[in-house]
Amino acid sequence: DSGVTQTPKHLITATGQRVTLRCSPRSGDLSVYWYQQSLDQGLQFLIHYYNGEERAKGNILERFSAQQFPDLHSELNLSSLELGDSALYFCASSPRISTDTQYFGPGTRLTVL
Amino acid sequence: QQQVKQSPQSLIVQKGGISIINCAYENTAFDYFPWYQQFPGKGPALLIAIRPDVSEKKEGRFTISFNKSAKQFSLHIMDSQPGDSATYFCAASMRRGSTLGRLYFGRGTQLTVWP
Repeated sequence: DSGVTQTPKHLITATGQRVTLRCSPRSGDLSVYWYQQSLDQGLQFLIHYYNGEERAKGNILERFSAQQFPDLHSELNLSSLELGDSALYFCASSPRISTDTQYFGPGTRLTVL
Repeated sequence: QQQVKQSPQSLIVQKGGISIINCAYENTAFDYFPWYQQFPGKGPALLIAIRPDVSEKKEGRFTISFNKSAKQFSLHIMDSQPGDSATYFCAASMRRGSTLGRLYFGRGTQLTVWP
């Protein structure tokens, strides 16, 4: 158990809908990263937050957004969902902003029908 | 554009054998090279990592070999066990710049160890 929690574990929704994925980092970790894992793209970095501030963006679609709250939990919002958004979404946390070990949560499996 | 290239895609090894997975990168700004292990239904978990100031790092049965001039690194699993059957990802990141901390992953290697 990495200490990172993600909810929900599974999410099934329809095209055009909006969903919110939640991540609670390990106690004391200030950095939260979001990654998408799919068969065709592999593991892709989406976005990084550090202590409430956005630090870096990767291949994140404009339909996707994220935030990190004062209690350090983070939410990834996916809107206008398309079939191709079906994937595993992982968050990871680390103590500091630099390249410390990233501890991954168990993921949320999103299925868009 | 894949910043970290990983091979092979899949690997079958007999119990007790050596598993070798290779990765290559282009960006010389990378200065942290972790390997992650992922079991079905789980998130990736850090296995072992290396920085470019050393050429080898060993932890138990797992060894990373790093060749800075060739921009290549590899994972060796000695005495492979059925419990090692999982997907292995190499990755790279940098400690400076706008993308610091971001992990660039290889496409993964599915390892199967036959008993």
